[in-house]
Amino acid sequence: KNEVEQSPQNLTAQEGEFITINCSYSVGISALHWLQQHPGGGIVSLFMLSSGKKKHGRLIATINIQEKHSSLHITASHPRDSAVYICAVTQGGSEKLVFGKGTKLTVNP
Amino acid sequence: EPEVTQTPSHQVTQMGQEVILRCVPISNHLYFYWYRQILGQKVEFLVSFYNNEISEKSEIFDDQFSVERPDGSNFTLKIRSTKLEDSAMYFCASSVLGAGETQYFGPGTRLLVL
Repeated sequence: KNEVEQSPQNLTAQEGEFITINCSYSVGISALHWLQQHPGGGIVSLFMLSSGKKKHGRLIATINIQEKHSSLHITASHPRDSAVYICAVTQGGSEKLVFGKGTKLTVNP
Repeated sequence: EPEVTQTPSHQVTQMGQEVILRCVPISNHLYFYWYRQILGQKVEFLVSFYNNEISEKSEIFDDQFSVERPDGSNFTLKIRSTKLEDSAMYFCASSVLGAGETQYFGPGTRLLVL
């Protein structure tokens, strides 16, 4: 059973700051997903990665398979980035996502 | 852009009643999922469905739960006899293929069991 841990649980930043959210997992994975959950509850997939680094706009996701660790970075943060960011993993041939508890990000103007 | 839709957005029911939550996955997707999120807790996997049968299910998905694809577009989750602890947000998701693919989530159905 894979345990997915995220840190920090809560993060408050000022607009423009560089944000880092961390995720670690206990067992080898086939892919790691970063998702965003808005205050209304909707979940949006941001990235899926199994190695290296991906970038989309101001968001960057990295993964270190050997260390079983991933980071999500937000550059030039903005109040509209305020949301819960969730790390989830898939293992082996399984389709199911195993979720972390999420990191609640608040960006103040 | 195609999206996953869910109905209803909110449902209130009495304990012991049956509820059916409905989802319309993205049309060319082949894998369908149900997840739930109890208030304040993390999202949990319930079941995955492919080729008209369950491909994987969690220990939460007991005999009270069932899934069905009654036609070419809808994907439903039925809870036969609801319990207070079934109160949660239920998310449907779909993906083109299965393992290792991006899953696209619906907006969720908030179920409250009284």
